Amino acid sequence: AQTVTQSQPEMSVQEAETVTLSCTYDTSENNYYLFWYKQPPSRQMILVIRQEAYKQQNATENRFSVNFQKAAKSFSLKISDSQLGDTAMYFCAFKSISGANNLFFGTGTRLTVIP
Amino acid sequence: KAGVTQTPRYLIKTRGQQVTLSCSPISGHRSVSWYQQTPGQGLQFLFEYFSETQRNKGNFPGRFSGRQFSNSRSEMNVSTLELGDSALYLCASSLAQEVTEAFFGQGTRLTVV
Repeated sequence: AQTVTQSQPEMSVQEAETVTLSCTYDTSENNYYLFWYKQPPSRQMILVIRQEAYKQQNATENRFSVNFQKAAKSFSLKISDSQLGDTAMYFCAFKSISGANNLFFGTGTRLTVIP
Repeated sequence: KAGVTQTPRYLIKTRGQQVTLSCSPISGHRSVSWYQQTPGQGLQFLFEYFSETQRNKGNFPGRFSGRQFSNSRSEMNVSTLELGDSALYLCASSLAQEVTEAFFGQGTRLTVV
């Protein structure tokens, strides 16, 4: 079974600074997808960034980038130039390519951006 | 393009009652998944429907059930409610299984008293 671990329950960062959220996962599969979702107080889960395991290049979306280490089963999210609107819960998630079409989530990291 | 719509947004029920939650996916999306989010257990997968068929089910008791209609709208039902069923129930839609991106609704906050 897949498991996703986020070891940082809470983090804070000064506005305009950079912060890195950690995620590790466990799977016996070779091909899969990894995601970071953001859940603001409105409760709606919003996809931040996606990484395909077969791609060696780390995904980047504007101020958001990942450090994907497949051998170490590590998938961290870096947020550059943090903004107040980045304040939210962040969830790391795993999805199998060949198996079931559901997401396995970590327990989340609550990020607070301090003005 | 309208997003995923979940109704109602909030619900209060008494222990032992049953409840039905609704999810309307994005137009054209055929896959609908349901998740339960609680402070203690986090986000847990309930089930997934595609073209009116349940394709996958999480580890929840039989009191939790669902269905999908021909227009892809989905409902989930919880019978004989327990206090522990209090949670945020999230619905996610995607075009098909092969499509990686799932779009979430704002959820239904269920409180069982």
